[in-house]
Amino acid sequence: SYDLTQPLSVSVSPGQTAAVTCSGDKLQDRFVFWYQQKTGQSPVVVMYQDSKRPSGIPERFSGSSSGNTATLTIGGAQVVDEAYYYCQAWDGTTAVFGSGTKVTVL
Amino acid sequence: EVQLVESGGGLVQPGRSLRLSCEASGFTFDDFAMHWVRQAPGKGLEWVAGLSWNGDRLAYEDSVKGRFTISRDNARNLLFLQMDNLRDEDTALYYCTKAPGSTVNTQNHWFDPWGQGALVTVSS
Repeated sequence: SYDLTQPLSVSVSPGQTAAVTCSGDKLQDRFVFWYQQKTGQSPVVVMYQDSKRPSGIPERFSGSSSGNTATLTIGGAQVVDEAYYYCQAWDGTTAVFGSGTKVTVL
Repeated sequence: EVQLVESGGGLVQPGRSLRLSCEASGFTFDDFAMHWVRQAPGKGLEWVAGLSWNGDRLAYEDSVKGRFTISRDNARNLLFLQMDNLRDEDTALYYCTKAPGSTVNTQNHWFDPWGQGALVTVSS
């Protein structure tokens, strides 16, 4: 089975840049998607196809992918960005999620 | 506004069955593939199953193959997940979610939006 590896947690001060990584074998050959899940809420897509931002998602969110690692970057993180972030890719017809990264902004 | 509303969750004993429903509104339901994703208490997201727009292409996560069946009723804008022979480890919040296209055999689809989830608890 295909695995995506994320750090358990990332902590930044308000206004700093938070970078969440997602690693997987030959990840550069796949699209990566990112979801934000705040406490008690359903997930929301914040980045699709590596680096495309859905409408309504703030410009401080950006995505990139190179080699075996994809990165979700929150430039100028705000307290409202505190959440779990999950990366996702496809392995054939199976969707695979990373284990999630808790981003703390304080 | 696109809305997905799950129902049918509850407490069930191991080995028994349960059927979840997801009512879709705000978009042309039979234009899009649909999926189920679950989240065990305090854990991460796990994709469960996906179904193409007309129901002819299905995909399942390995641990639910042969036990779960995904289906849809396009006339009523409903997505279903029939769960048989339930196990303790199937305990989770089950989300219904929409793909941006009609197929399941694609590498470029994401999940948006998500419903609020239906809680399934498997316990004796």
